[in-house]
Amino acid sequence: EPEVTQTPSHQVTQMGQEVILRCVPISNHLYFYWYRQILGQKVEFLVSFYNNEISEKSEIFDDQFSVERPDGSNFTLKIRSTKLEDSAMYFCAVSGTNNQPQHFGDGTRLSIL
Amino acid sequence: RKEVEQDPGPFNVPEGATVAFNCTYSNSASQSFFWYRQDCRKEPKLLMSVYSSGNEDGRFTAQLNRASQYISLLIRDSKLSDSATYLCVVLDNYGQNFVFGPGTRLSVLP
Repeated sequence: EPEVTQTPSHQVTQMGQEVILRCVPISNHLYFYWYRQILGQKVEFLVSFYNNEISEKSEIFDDQFSVERPDGSNFTLKIRSTKLEDSAMYFCAVSGTNNQPQHFGDGTRLSIL
Repeated sequence: RKEVEQDPGPFNVPEGATVAFNCTYSNSASQSFFWYRQDCRKEPKLLMSVYSSGNEDGRFTAQLNRASQYISLLIRDSKLSDSATYLCVVLDNYGQNFVFGPGTRLSVLP
């Protein structure tokens, strides 16, 4: 059974629209992460989240992005005013502590038209 | 940001071959290291953690050389199902995030 599930599996959105990607951890995890992978490129860190706040974010994670865990279970990534270059696979990951292996969800493929 | 580099690949090997992947990292303060595999358009999946003393899991052996900031993965008796991209991953000790290498693609041929 996967440690984390993501929805939707594929999202197609017009440029300029807002999207919300969701991640639901199966087990009790303390650390949550979002990564993205543009087709053919390497996996890139976006943000880490612990104790209901952002603990670190990359230069990619600008004001266009936000994360929250509104109900204590779902962990969401919101992308406002989407751009063509936001098209990528977005992976959620979880871990029990900050130096343990991270377990990845199966990703959301975001296509911006 | 510090980087992780890997053999560019791709590696095309026959079934049963032994293949080795190399990885170097630039952040000398890094403490945790992992190998993940990623199948085409799928999520990264943990293959094994890498320990200072080296560790083995079946056909897979991982080595860490802290002095040289070098990590390796050896696959013995390769199977068709080993075909994937192998990702070297380093935990950035300045934060809590993984830094991924670009990956090395392996194709095991019948």
